[in-house]
Amino acid sequence: DAGVIQSPRHEVTEMGQEVTLRCKPISGHDYLFWYRQTMMRGLELLIYFNNNVPIDDSGMPEDRFSAKMPNASFSTLKIQPSEPRDSAVYFCASSLGGDANEKLFFGSGTQLSVL
Amino acid sequence: KNQVEQSPQSLIILEGKNCTLQCNYTVSPFSNLRWYKQDTGRGPVSLTIMTFSENTKSNGRYTATLDADTKQSSLHITASQLSDSASYICVVRGDGSGGGADGLTFGKGTHLIIQP
Repeated sequence: DAGVIQSPRHEVTEMGQEVTLRCKPISGHDYLFWYRQTMMRGLELLIYFNNNVPIDDSGMPEDRFSAKMPNASFSTLKIQPSEPRDSAVYFCASSLGGDANEKLFFGSGTQLSVL
Repeated sequence: KNQVEQSPQSLIILEGKNCTLQCNYTVSPFSNLRWYKQDTGRGPVSLTIMTFSENTKSNGRYTATLDADTKQSSLHITASQLSDSASYICVVRGDGSGGGADGLTFGKGTHLIIQP
């Protein structure tokens, strides 16, 4: 398996523009997570899905952020409108199940810069 | 409040030397503790997962220890190589209400640089 695949790897946009980040989890994994990483705050959970259903989105900063998972092999994280403070690395991760010892597999991330 | 504190923030050592990274946590109740390695420009990769009953777990030249009584963990790297240059993130999973919605509390990581 190719692992968790994210696109694009880098995104530079201007404030106010819509940004869409994409993720393909590992085939057969039932859980998908979106994280944001900054130097100041480290890794933070934004939202996660179980079997394509959003389970908890309490980490989503505000209404400008939305995430969907239309099928088991694809998820998007959208920011509209984007702001400079959204600049960060966004990671998608997946896991086989929800067991406490389940290992998380991360993608390579999307480096987002909002000017 | 559930917290994971890592030290040092950054560390520079010469190739071939050993080093130890520290992780202190306040997550309670505790389920497991994970160490991840994150290369520059890549996502974190799992090194070890330890439960309450495990004191030591090794993965090649990486050895993690856990003292659940003092809520401390360490990651020891033996005979460091240039490829060990990375950030090392300690992550603690709470049991039940501990941690975020995914049950995890992340440390901010230790940035390790191996010099030739």
